[in-house]
Amino acid sequence: DAGVIQSPRHEVTEMGQEVTLRCKPISGHDYLFWYRQTMMRGLELLIYFNNNVPIDDSGMPEDRFSAKMPNASFSTLKIQPSEPRDSAVYFCASRLGSGNTIYFGEGSWLTVV
Amino acid sequence: TQLLEQSPQFLSIQEGENLTVYCNSSSVFSSLQWYRQEPGEGPVLLVTVVTGGEVKKLKRLTFQFGDARKDSSLHITAAQPGDTGLYLCAGAASGGSNYKQTFGKGTLLTVNP
Repeated sequence: DAGVIQSPRHEVTEMGQEVTLRCKPISGHDYLFWYRQTMMRGLELLIYFNNNVPIDDSGMPEDRFSAKMPNASFSTLKIQPSEPRDSAVYFCASRLGSGNTIYFGEGSWLTVV
Repeated sequence: TQLLEQSPQFLSIQEGENLTVYCNSSSVFSSLQWYRQEPGEGPVLLVTVVTGGEVKKLKRLTFQFGDARKDSSLHITAAQPGDTGLYLCAGAASGGSNYKQTFGKGTLLTVNP
């Protein structure tokens, strides 16, 4: 079975550009999570969805960040405009039901120069 | 915000040695999970502990949840190079949503052959 699929795996972009990260959760999973990982702050939850509806976006750093889940098999995390401090690894994860195992994707490595 | 402190931050040992890493908090957690993350990949769940004082074993790995459910430890016996990785603990707050976990920053373990 395919796991959580993220794209792109790596992206280097210039400050001010728009960045869109994409995620396909495991089929049938009803929860989707976006995390950001940095050396300084570790792994932080940005936002999560249940049945395509955003439930908690309190971890989204600022208005430059937005996330959507138009259907059960696709989600995007957008940064506009991007800044160097946004450089991090962004993980998408999904889960079936509550209290079960969260499955992470391989991450999108973002560098903003 | 619940904080999870992991120690040590870095650990480099020789193959065959034993080691223990710790995860501590001033908050009570309803459950605590341990993940291992290998370079270039997302975290993978190793174990979930839910009962104070609970001990779980996974081959050479032994996980313990503190009696007060504020701390946990991971002990590895006879470490092997394949154990190399970033070990993360994550807690779900007692009485809060199990969907929102707090992650520690991790212990980066290197096992040298």
